[in-house]
Amino acid sequence: AQKITQTQPGMFVQEKEAVTLDCTYDTSDPSYGLFWYKQPSSGEMIFLIYQGSYDQQNATEGRYSLNFQKARKSANLVISASQLGDSAMYFCAMREGLWNAGNMLTFGGGTRLMVKP
Amino acid sequence: SQTIHQWPATLVQPVGSPLSLECTVEGTSNPNLYWYRQAAGRGLQLLFYSVGIGQISSEVPQNLSASRPQDRQFILSSKKLLLSDSGFYLCAWSQGRDRSSNQPQHFGDGTRLSIL
Repeated sequence: AQKITQTQPGMFVQEKEAVTLDCTYDTSDPSYGLFWYKQPSSGEMIFLIYQGSYDQQNATEGRYSLNFQKARKSANLVISASQLGDSAMYFCAMREGLWNAGNMLTFGGGTRLMVKP
Repeated sequence: SQTIHQWPATLVQPVGSPLSLECTVEGTSNPNLYWYRQAAGRGLQLLFYSVGIGQISSEVPQNLSASRPQDRQFILSSKKLLLSDSGFYLCAWSQGRDRSSNQPQHFGDGTRLSIL
């Protein structure tokens, strides 16, 4: 079974509007971390935001916030006030285990976001 | 601050030729290091990771190999490239010896490898 599922291969959003990118995960480990990365067309992977499984509040970083629903095993990324520069691929990733010595991440297949002017 | 350098940025190689991609990290010691491959429009596939000099773990059996001759140097190699080795290769690092779960991986700019 897929550990990280991103069901939206592509999405459009109007500039200045908010958009939600979906991510569901599968793990039996009670300790895990969830990460979101942005990959512009140039290829580099940019870390955006992190949510820990024991965090009581949803993570926020500027215009990025995480809608973390633990019971549903979802960690959706919300981008507020979309900008043209937000057009990119977005990847959700998970680290399982509190003592993950290699700090390995499992990535989803990504969602391509396109912001319309 | 920490930086990661990966080169070359692009590479075109014939089938059957050897490969060497290099990645170095600055500003940190004993990092965890990773090699990923990304097919066009797809997610990242972890190829190798290393928690220390000479320590390499392979996630996917293939004709690629990795080496870590120095603490902050990670090399991806092949003796004979296949057409299926084409893709975008990314090197990444994360804080070593830190077993907290909130450490992100930080990526290099990637190498676009085309096999002809």
